[in-house]
Amino acid sequence: KAGVTQTPRYLIKTRGQQVTLSCSPISGHRSVSWYQQTPGQGLQFLFEYFSETQRNKGNFPGRFSGRQFSNSRSEMNVSTLELGDSALYLCASSLAGQGTTDTQYFGPGTRLTVL
Amino acid sequence: ILNVEQSPQSLHVQEGDSTNFTCSFPSSNFYALHWYRWETAKSPEALFVMTLNGDEKKKGRISATLNTKEGYSYLYIKGSQPEDSATYLCAFRGSGYALNFGKGTSLLVTP
Repeated sequence: KAGVTQTPRYLIKTRGQQVTLSCSPISGHRSVSWYQQTPGQGLQFLFEYFSETQRNKGNFPGRFSGRQFSNSRSEMNVSTLELGDSALYLCASSLAGQGTTDTQYFGPGTRLTVL
Repeated sequence: ILNVEQSPQSLHVQEGDSTNFTCSFPSSNFYALHWYRWETAKSPEALFVMTLNGDEKKKGRISATLNTKEGYSYLYIKGSQPEDSATYLCAFRGSGYALNFGKGTSLLVTP
């Protein structure tokens, strides 16, 4: 079974631009969660989508948004990029998602650099 | 945001040494505790999901225990090998359901 894939793997943007990251979950998984990791910080939860609906949201500004498609693939969008948005963005998929004891399977991440 | 603390922040041991790390989390509204191993340039890999007080899990030379009443979990590695070098993350799930990660313990095992 193919693992979680994320595209692109690396991205360089400038302040003020917007960016869209993509995540394809493991086949059959309906939940996709997004996390941000910055230097010195643990993984910070952004949001979770399940069956095309946002089910949980972390403490991030409205510039961070996402969506999920009927095939469970998910995209994350960051508008008006700031230098502090430079980070590794990870997505994780699971069968039934948060609120269960399902294991989350992580993708390799997208490294975003904002100049 | 729930406070999940991991200690030590980093650890350097010799091949063959046994070692352990600690994860501290809120003792109220406990739902589950996850452990992950994250090797450089790879995806975080799930090790254990623990739900019951007193749980003990084992996978090869790695084992974990859980104390939900006092809010801690230990991860043990017996006879460390260089391939065990990685960052070990714990994540707490409370009633809010989102996974709250600690900052990890970075382990380096040298031959």
